Amino acid sequence: GNSVTQMEGPVTLSEEAFLTINCTYTATGYPSLFWYVQYPGEGLQLLLKATKADDKGSNKGFEATYRKETTSFHLEKGSVQVSDSAVYFCALANSGGGADGLTFGKGTHLIIQP
Amino acid sequence: GAGVSQTPSNKVTEKGKYVELRCDPISGHTALYWYRQSLGQGPEFLIYFQGTGAADDSGLPNDRFFAVRPEGSVSTLKIQRTERGDSAVYLCASSLSLLASGGVNEQFFGPGTRLTVL
Repeated sequence: GNSVTQMEGPVTLSEEAFLTINCTYTATGYPSLFWYVQYPGEGLQLLLKATKADDKGSNKGFEATYRKETTSFHLEKGSVQVSDSAVYFCALANSGGGADGLTFGKGTHLIIQP
Repeated sequence: GAGVSQTPSNKVTEKGKYVELRCDPISGHTALYWYRQSLGQGPEFLIYFQGTGAADDSGLPNDRFFAVRPEGSVSTLKIQRTERGDSAVYLCASSLSLLASGGVNEQFFGPGTRLTVL
């Protein structure tokens, strides 16, 4: 079955540091890949997505590239801010015309210190 | 426009009781999903509706869990004979049909209902 593995947290960085949160997946076919973010006290929000190999999703300074050869979708940001502190979830959706439920990783808690 | 709404936001019940959790999807979204999120974990898929019918209920943990969507809009997740292990945040999400969304299953989540079983 499908699975998503992401680096465990918490990840603690100083403001303006470079961020990488690793995500790898196992799936049949060609899934769509997502990063969702959950800010303190709020619901899950879609951060970015990519639907095919070599696509790059980007939003709010975050980027992730769909790497089929390494089955990865690592999240990066060049200079983090305190307001980026949140829990980040990598997720995948099956391809092939299905609208199945998403498979999520366990989440990575990011803490940015001023 | 309004996002996905869920009621109640919090529900405390006693072991063995019956509970209903409600989800109001984004208007026009034909697909509706239920997930369960335990502390420190990612959301876990429970069931998915396309219109009024359950297209995939493979994630429901056992027959104490049931969900309906009788008119293809609002959905209710029902849990019978609750157990302490059912305590979690129950999330609802909705999405456009794949045709309308260009083939991408992008789901929009509600704020969740925190269920506590004492």
